[in-house]
Amino acid sequence: EVQLVESGGGLVKPGGSLRLSCAASGFTFRNAWMSWVRQAPGKGLEWVGRIKSKTDGGTSDYAAPVKGRFTISRDDSINTVYLQMTGLKTEDTAVYYCCTTGVTGTEFNYWGQGTLVTASS
Amino acid sequence: DIHMTQSPSTLSASVGDRVTITCRASQSISSWLAWYQQIPGKAPKLLIYKTSTLESGVPSRFSGSGSGTEFTLTISSLQPDDFATYYCQQYNSYSQYTFGQGTKLEIK
Repeated sequence: EVQLVESGGGLVKPGGSLRLSCAASGFTFRNAWMSWVRQAPGKGLEWVGRIKSKTDGGTSDYAAPVKGRFTISRDDSINTVYLQMTGLKTEDTAVYYCCTTGVTGTEFNYWGQGTLVTASS
Repeated sequence: DIHMTQSPSTLSASVGDRVTITCRASQSISSWLAWYQQIPGKAPKLLIYKTSTLESGVPSRFSGSGSGTEFTLTISSLQPDDFATYYCQQYNSYSQYTFGQGTKLEIK
């Protein structure tokens, strides 16, 4: 059974930093492309970024609102993907979901339960 | 950037009804269109990918179609568990993913 468990959320002041983790199990993590998707309270879904598998280059892509502030990395030895967030803004307040991309690389087929990040003074 | 617009934003229907949700892209996105269902307080669930491919385990009353800039999700006969919010999502050649704003399906 695929499991994705996010952690690291919490309250942070604007301008601060936070690192989210997502522990994966139940599939071959090193071959997976991993993404982060967020959802502000009462709002819709917003893609944050994605990291490819190392065999596919290991590169990352980001949505415009977070590019230059957020960084996705992965540690295949412990089946974990990270989202390092710096320069947090109040508009970054959201539940952050970790997801796997599916067979085509264009959809998100498994999701974690999410972790809440609140950027507020 | 490609913008995705769903219509309607809210849809009221009854158990047994056939409903259709539309998703329009601001430019052609080939066939890389997916649909998700989200129940309040839960993570989204993938229903359909590549416009019309049903994800494993998803009931066959869900179907997707479309091409270019206009896509639809159809539920052939609404069941009580189907009342939720639905999102479309596209992927483009610039390695960017974008979601629609969502359609809330309510019980009439």
